[in-house]
Amino acid sequence: AQKVTQAQTEISVVEKEDVTLDCVYETRDTTYYLFWYKQPPSGELVFLIRRNSFDEQNEISGRYSWNFQKSTSSFNFTITASQVVDSAVYFCALSGIQGAQKLVFGQGTRLTINP
Amino acid sequence: DVKVTQSSRYLVKRTGEKVFLECVQDMDHENMFWYRQDPGLGLRLIYFSYDVKMKEKGDIPEGYSVSREKKERFSLILESASTNQTSMYLCASSSRRGPYGYTFGSGTRLTVV
Repeated sequence: AQKVTQAQTEISVVEKEDVTLDCVYETRDTTYYLFWYKQPPSGELVFLIRRNSFDEQNEISGRYSWNFQKSTSSFNFTITASQVVDSAVYFCALSGIQGAQKLVFGQGTRLTINP
Repeated sequence: DVKVTQSSRYLVKRTGEKVFLECVQDMDHENMFWYRQDPGLGLRLIYFSYDVKMKEKGDIPEGYSVSREKKERFSLILESASTNQTSMYLCASSSRRGPYGYTFGSGTRLTVV
């Protein structure tokens, strides 16, 4: 069975601090996808990144970066120089590649950036 | 702009009522999903469909059913609403042809009183 664990339920930091959201996953599949989604107060989940299990390169997109380590089954997300607009619930998720590609979500981490 | 549209943003229903939550996507996606979101539990899959008239149970299907008569529409049905079904319901769709990943609707916050 697949499982995603986000151990941090809530994180609160002051604006401009760097913050890392942890994600650990379990799967027996040899190929899979990992995702991060952002859910702002409006409620709609916004896609941030998809990572193929074959690609262990870290990725940077502006202030966002992702660290994928297959050896530790982790896919952590770092926000550099956080801003108030980053306040949201963030979800890590995992899917297989075959079939309907069901997404399995972690419990989510509520991130609050204080001015 | 591609979209997944959920018919209601907020709903209040009485215990025992039959409730229909509607979801429409305009991306010609094969796969559609219904999740519920509860604090501390993340998103849990209720049902999904990979084709018209096809449906499969997710992790928590009890008390729910679904209907997919047309490719673009996926309905979630609460046969007899109960207070423990008070939750945020999220619909999503995805394409079998890639790129893989979901597009989500804005959610329906259902309160059963």
